[in-house]
Amino acid sequence: DVKVTQSSRYLVKRTGEKVFLECVQDMDHENMFWYRQDPGLGLRLIYFSYDVKMKEKGDIPEGYSVSREKKERFSLILESASTNQTSMYLCASSSALTGAGQPQHFGDGTRLSIL
Amino acid sequence: AQSVTQLDSQVPVFEEAPVELRCNYSSSVSVYLFWYVQYPNQGLQLLLKYLSGSTLVESINGFEAEFNKSQTSFHLRKPSVHISDTAEYFCAVTRRRALTFGSGTRLQVQP
Repeated sequence: DVKVTQSSRYLVKRTGEKVFLECVQDMDHENMFWYRQDPGLGLRLIYFSYDVKMKEKGDIPEGYSVSREKKERFSLILESASTNQTSMYLCASSSALTGAGQPQHFGDGTRLSIL
Repeated sequence: AQSVTQLDSQVPVFEEAPVELRCNYSSSVSVYLFWYVQYPNQGLQLLLKYLSGSTLVESINGFEAEFNKSQTSFHLRKPSVHISDTAEYFCAVTRRRALTFGSGTRLQVQP
């Protein structure tokens, strides 16, 4: 089974801090994604990466950056955390072998609170 | 751009009753469609997907969804729900390498 591991289930940080959320997958997937999940809004794509050192902005990239130095690891960075970034963050990965029809595999999420 | 509309934010239903969770999408190109389920305190799991071929797709736990191109819908159905089906359900459509998700429907199965 594919395993996507997010480093923290719960995280509390202060406004203005630089925050790192880490995600690791064990299936050699090319694609990795970061979403945030808010009640009534579903999942919104922040950034995704289709190869090492490659990234594309999603729908809500403002205030975030990402890093993919190794194929299995995709990091989300909040440059200067703000209270409106309090949310559930979900990481996912998928294979690129047969195109867009491959399902995404999700981690259990990190619930981030910014005080 | 693709978009997904889930018309019901919450659906309460009694155990063993049938249920339908509605999903409509808009896209100017051919798409792949997915339903994901999220149990409390967990990430999302793939429930079923439509890629091509038969418009009726089934999951291993009794759910089915029908792709209707003319109505741009992909509604999820189950003839008899269980307490264990209580979860949030998300419809999604492909967008290049990523997915666009609907806002989710919370299914609450009551005894």
